[in-house]
Amino acid sequence: EAGVAQSPRYKIIEKRQSVAFWCNPISGHATLYWYQQILGQGPKLLIQFQNNGVVDDSQLPKDRFSAERLKGVDSTLKIQPAKLEDSAVYLCASRTGGLAGPEQFFGPGTRLTVL
Amino acid sequence: AQTVTQSQPEMSVQEAETVTLSCTYDTSENNYYLFWYKQPPSRQMILVIRQEAYKQQNATENRFSVNFQKAAKSFSLKISDSQLGDTAMYFCAFRAYNNNDMRFGAGTRLTVKP
Repeated sequence: EAGVAQSPRYKIIEKRQSVAFWCNPISGHATLYWYQQILGQGPKLLIQFQNNGVVDDSQLPKDRFSAERLKGVDSTLKIQPAKLEDSAVYLCASRTGGLAGPEQFFGPGTRLTVL
Repeated sequence: AQTVTQSQPEMSVQEAETVTLSCTYDTSENNYYLFWYKQPPSRQMILVIRQEAYKQQNATENRFSVNFQKAAKSFSLKISDSQLGDTAMYFCAFRAYNNNDMRFGAGTRLTVKP
């Protein structure tokens, strides 16, 4: 079974530029999460999707961050414009959403550096 | 709101020895899950072990076991016969049954020394 895929793995941009990250969850997983992991900290939830609907985006800085999951499969997270404090690893995770198991499966992450 | 606290930023252990990582949490929920995730250097996060709060028996996965103390809201991870490949960041995480929001601790960096 293929795992959660993310691209790119690394991205370096200057502040005020825009950037987008892509995530392909495990096939059949209805629930998809985006996390921000700042160096030395645990992951912080940004947004959660159930199929193509947003379940929780309370911690997403909506003035600059946006995310979509139009067809209920792949998802894109965008930052526009980026700030220095956005430097972090962005993790995508997915879960079945059913009774098969409560755990989330994580992708390798995208390491973003904002200069 | 739920919070997860890992009070040991860094730990080290000699290969083949046993080490225990601490985790405490705060919640008003009665039904929830607890997890330990491992994040090796530059590699993705993987699940080590999970515990359902309603189960009194501590979860065990090969060399990994937990000490779940529900009343004390404590959830420690014991790694027996430590191996060099156990070197990683370890995160404790909490999720209530009726909430999809997973809360993570700040992590403990474990180094296994040869």
